[in-house]
Amino acid sequence: SYELTQPPSVSVSPGQTASITCSGDKLGDKYACWYQQKPGQSPVLVIYKDSERPSGIPERFSGSNSGNTATLTISGTQAMDEAEYYCQAWDSSTAVFGGGTKLTVL
Amino acid sequence: EVQLVESGGGLVQPGGSLRLSCAASGFTFSNYWINWVRQVPGKGLEWVANMNQDGSETYYVDSVKGRFTISRDNAKNSLYLQMDSLRAEDTAVYYCARGIRGLYYYDSGTHVRVYYYMDVWGKGTTVTVSS
Repeated sequence: SYELTQPPSVSVSPGQTASITCSGDKLGDKYACWYQQKPGQSPVLVIYKDSERPSGIPERFSGSNSGNTATLTISGTQAMDEAEYYCQAWDSSTAVFGGGTKLTVL
Repeated sequence: EVQLVESGGGLVQPGGSLRLSCAASGFTFSNYWINWVRQVPGKGLEWVANMNQDGSETYYVDSVKGRFTISRDNAKNSLYLQMDSLRAEDTAVYYCARGIRGLYYYDSGTHVRVYYYMDVWGKGTTVTVSS
């Protein structure tokens, strides 16, 4: 079965750029999306189709996908961005999630 | 307001059954794929099952095949998950999520990329399987 691998944790200072990676075999041949989940809350879609932002998602969130890696980038990271982030792709008629990355803003 | 509201969770013994429901409002339910996604407290997200707009396509994660059945009633704007032969490892928060699926053809139509993402989520309902 298809697997997506994310680093368990990423730390960033306020105002700096955070990058969270998601790796999978030939992931660049698929579309990736990203979800943000804060404690006690449901997931929120922040990036879809590799780099598209849903309405209401700040411009500081961006995404890319090439080769075996998709990347979520948060520019000018704010304290409110501290959360768990999950990547997701579609493979062989199943939705696959990465294991999640805890983003700490300190 | 676009909304999904899950219900039906609870405590059930191993081997038992439970039926979850998801009520949709604020959008044309019959135009969308719909999913069940679960999350063990403190762990990651796991996609469980989905269904296309008219119910002609259903997909499941391997661990629930033969035990869980997804269904929908477009007239009632509702999604269901019948869970049988429940196991302790099925204990989780179960989310209902709206799905969007599409195809992108490239290289003069010789290749295709499939996009699938979930843009609206409910608040979840908790299922606990324990004796």
